[in-house]
Amino acid sequence: GNSVTQMEGPVTLSEEAFLTINCTYTATGYPSLFWYVQYPGEGLQLLLKATKADDKGSNKGFEATYRKETTSFHLEKGSVQVSDSAVYFCASRGGATNKLIFGTGTLLAVQP
Amino acid sequence: NAGVTQTPKFRILKIGQSMTLQCAQDMNHNYMYWYRQDPGMGLKLIYYSVGAGITDKGEVPNGYNVSRSTTEDFPLRLELAAPSQTSVYFCASTTDRGNTEAFFGQGTRLTVV
Repeated sequence: GNSVTQMEGPVTLSEEAFLTINCTYTATGYPSLFWYVQYPGEGLQLLLKATKADDKGSNKGFEATYRKETTSFHLEKGSVQVSDSAVYFCASRGGATNKLIFGTGTLLAVQP
Repeated sequence: NAGVTQTPKFRILKIGQSMTLQCAQDMNHNYMYWYRQDPGMGLKLIYYSVGAGITDKGEVPNGYNVSRSTTEDFPLRLELAAPSQTSVYFCASTTDRGNTEAFFGQGTRLTVV
């Protein structure tokens, strides 16, 4: 079945540093890919998505490109802020069941 | 537009008690999911449904039951609660289309003592 693997955390960065959180997927066919963010004490909310190869999703300064050749969907941001501190989840959806499958989540802590 | 509503927000259960976690959505979504999130961990799929009357098991269904009698509601039933079921439970819904995102409720924090 489909699966998602993302880098272990926690990731600790200083404000204005560059962020990369790696995510790779396995799937039959071409799933849609998502990044969700979970702020402390809250539910998950969509950060960005890409639905086909070479698509780039972007939102709030975050970007991720759907790379079919490397089966990856890495999350990047050029300059993180303290307010970006949260848990980030990579997810895929597709295949016969159309289930939404999540990675394990990566905790990001940004220090002033 | 309420989105996905979960109740209760917090609950403490004693070992062996039962309870139902409620989830309702007002977006006419066919797909609904229940996940659990253990401290410091990711999301594990408990059960999901692709429409009224249709449910299927996820990764960790043992100790839980679901029903889907209407499009709007997808309750999760815990029978004979155990400490291992202490977790935060999230309900989510989405459309049939694979390229659409899921909407999440705010979660139910359950402690079994």
